Order: sequence, then C-alpha cells, then structure tokens
Amino acid sequence: EAGVTQSPTHLIKTRGQQATLRCSPISGHTSVYWYQQALGLGLQFLLWYDEGEERNRGNFPPRFSGRQFPNYSSELNVNALELEDSALYLCASSWAGRSSYNEQFFGPGTRLTVL
Amino acid sequence: EDKVVQSPLSLVVHEGDTVTLNCSYEVTNFRSLLWYKQEKKAPTFLFMLTSSGIEKKSGRLSSILDKKELFSILNITATQTGDSAVYLCAVIYNAGNNRKLIWGLGTSLAVNP
Repeated sequence: EAGVTQSPTHLIKTRGQQATLRCSPISGHTSVYWYQQALGLGLQFLLWYDEGEERNRGNFPPRFSGRQFPNYSSELNVNALELEDSALYLCASSWAGRSSYNEQFFGPGTRLTVL
Repeated sequence: EDKVVQSPLSLVVHEGDTVTLNCSYEVTNFRSLLWYKQEKKAPTFLFMLTSSGIEKKSGRLSSILDKKELFSILNITATQTGDSAVYLCAVIYNAGNNRKLIWGLGTSLAVNP
C-alpha cells in the first residue's frame, strides 16, 4: 500500500513569493491534515480537510490556505512568504470522519526555505 | 491555555537501558492521547490512549494514561540504537463544537551503542 506522498521534497523561495505544496493521501483516506514544523516549535496544526471541506484551522494567518480535490489530494498555498515560514511542512491522512481526528499517517514532508 | 508538555526534552542512554518519557496535558474535554515516533521526517503512529489505567503494548514499547493526573508515559525497555528518534505526544480534545489536536514539542532520544 502506497503511503502519503508529498511534493516537492524541497522548495526554496524568496520573501513575498507564493509557495504551493502538494499532498496525496493513502488510498481510501478522506481526511488530510497539514502541519508546520519549525525548529524548536514542534508540530503546529495548520488545516484539516475532509471530503473536500475545510473542517478546522489552526492559528495561522489567512496567507496560509489550501484545498482538497475530489480525489482527496490536497494543496497548501502560502502567499506573501515571510522568512519565518521556513519550516518542514508535513501532510497526514486518515480515515477520519467529520468530527474527529483518527490515527494519522504522515508523509515525508516538504522542506520550505524562504530567503 | 490548552497545552501539552513533554519531558525530558532530550535524553541520551546506552543500549539496553529502559527509558520513560512523559507527556502531561492541560486541556478541557479530553478525548484521547496519541504517541508518535519521528525519526527523520514523517512521524509514525505508536499508540492511541483513551482510557485510564489500560496499558497499550507493542514489543518493547508500552504506554499508559492517567486521566486523573493528566499525563501519559511511554516506556521503552531494552533500548536499541534504532529507537533513537523524537517521540511526539498529541492530545485530542473538544473545544466548543470543534475537535482539536495539540502537539507537544517532543522528547529527543539518543541511544548509544
């Protein structure tokens, strides 16, 4: 069974640019979660999508947005990049229903560096 | 403020040692607690705990939850170098009509041969 995949592996951008990160969940999973893991800050919850809808959002500015496609893959967009957006962005998927978090399977992450 | 605190932040042991990692939490309307192991990038699931006093076990790893004292421990016996990783704890809780998940900063474990 293929795991969660993310692309690109690494992404280097400059301040003010926009970044798009992609995630494909495990087949059969309908929920996708996005996390930011910056050095020293641990995993910070960004967004949760289930069945194409945004179910929950972490404490991040509107510059961070995303969407889930009909095939349950997901995209995270970060606009007007700032230096502190540099981090590892992890995507996870699960069978979660509409009101809960379940065991999450993580992808390998995208390392975003903002110069 | 809802929070999850893991201790110690970092631990270095020799192969064969037993380690105990702690995860304490302060949340309203607790639902469950998760343990993950993160070696390089992707965290991998270890345990989900919802009931107090019931030990979950997988090989040399075990975990238990105390909902009265608001903490969980993760035990690793006879440690091996392959156990070297960051161990993450997360708590799922209800916040109004939403269900939220909050992560601790992790415990970095290094097992030396």
